[in-house]
Amino acid sequence: GAGVSQSPRYKVAKRGQDVALRCDPISGHVSLFWYQQALGQGPEFLTYFQNEAQLDKSGLPSDRFFAERPEGSVSTLKIQRTQQEDSAVYLCASSPEPTDGQPQHFGDGTRLSIL
Amino acid sequence: GNSVTQMEGPVTLSEEAFLTINCTYTATGYPSLFWYVQYPGEGLQLLLKATKADDKGSNKGFEATYRKETTSFHLEKGSVQVSDSAVYFCALSDSGGYQKVTFGTGTKLQVIP
Repeated sequence: GAGVSQSPRYKVAKRGQDVALRCDPISGHVSLFWYQQALGQGPEFLTYFQNEAQLDKSGLPSDRFFAERPEGSVSTLKIQRTQQEDSAVYLCASSPEPTDGQPQHFGDGTRLSIL
Repeated sequence: GNSVTQMEGPVTLSEEAFLTINCTYTATGYPSLFWYVQYPGEGLQLLLKATKADDKGSNKGFEATYRKETTSFHLEKGSVQVSDSAVYFCALSDSGGYQKVTFGTGTKLQVIP
């Protein structure tokens, strides 16, 4: 498809397990963002990639969160030793380039539930 | 740091009523301003945007004007439809840099026939 694709759409894990969330951005998009959206809240920034370079990871809540984009296209967000507070929707967004006013294109998100 | 404050919902309106969702922001520099919409079961999508003071963004009958003097970007529509029922997010991105977006908490709109 032509949009941002995220998988899985839903993920249930037991506390302490590791999870990996995948994002396929729109082809050719330079910028890729991950956001975390808690229930009833707006998305909050986690990390930013420009091509394969992770330029900002200031929003990652702890060192259990790790993201990569090794070839500048597909990205993976990994959460180690999951905890209940990690339950949220994780959104990926991409944009063609980092220019002023450039809107982001969002995927449908991965809803993560930690039991 | 940057922040966005928008009116709390839910907002319930009858079809053809006038809609206003208030949004104010705090930012350094000259941010770009956006309204994103999330329809039930769907992902976030851009509704409209404005990139400089006094710009008006518009789409699908919705409008918002970038007011630098009041740091506001209120969303309006003259006559809402049932199909407008969704969650609306006001957002901003910094000028320069890589356009990290700061979102408001969202306002749920329900339009009843």
